[in-house]
Amino acid sequence: KQEVTQIPAALSVPEGENLVLNCSFTDSAIYNLQWFRQDPGKGLTSLLLIQSSQREQTSGRLNASLDKSSGRSTLYIAASQPGDSATYLCAVINQAGTALIFGKGTTLSVSS
Amino acid sequence: NAGVTQTPKFRVLKTGQSMTLLCAQDMNHEYMYWYRQDPGMGLRLIHYSVGEGTTAKGEVPDGYNVSRLKKQNFLLGLESAAPSQTSVYFCASSRGLAKETQYFGPGTRLLVL
Repeated sequence: KQEVTQIPAALSVPEGENLVLNCSFTDSAIYNLQWFRQDPGKGLTSLLLIQSSQREQTSGRLNASLDKSSGRSTLYIAASQPGDSATYLCAVINQAGTALIFGKGTTLSVSS
Repeated sequence: NAGVTQTPKFRVLKTGQSMTLLCAQDMNHEYMYWYRQDPGMGLRLIHYSVGEGTTAKGEVPDGYNVSRLKKQNFLLGLESAAPSQTSVYFCASSRGLAKETQYFGPGTRLLVL
């Protein structure tokens, strides 16, 4: 059974700092991996999607990498801002290709 | 273009009552999903649909039923609500299966007393 783990569960950093969020998964037979952002009391917003054949994806200050063989992904946030404060969720497509398996998230707080 | 919308936003039920959560999408997506999010458990898939008239069970389907009579709508029903069904429910949709981004609605917060 696929399991997704995110470390750390919470992270506090000062504004301007570069940071890395980690995601690991137990079964390397994934179709893709997605990173989402969730603001308190809100739905999920897709940030980046990495296909299984890709190594990384970039969007603005965000860069996500994928290493299928080791079952790891990282989300790099450059020059963090208070507006980046949110919970970041990692998810992989299950073997049947029908749904996402989510990690429990990393809650990020960026102080000004 | 509203994306994915959910009705209602918040509801309080008594144990044993029934209700239906409505999800609507205007992106002409084939695939739709219902998840629940609980503290310490993350999001878990309840049911999903790969097209109009189809439904399938996810990870935690017990106590729920779904219907997809129209492509744009996906309904989640609770026939006899239990306190264990207190949760935040999210609907999502996607154009395809494995290679497509899933788009999420804003959620429905359900409290069962």
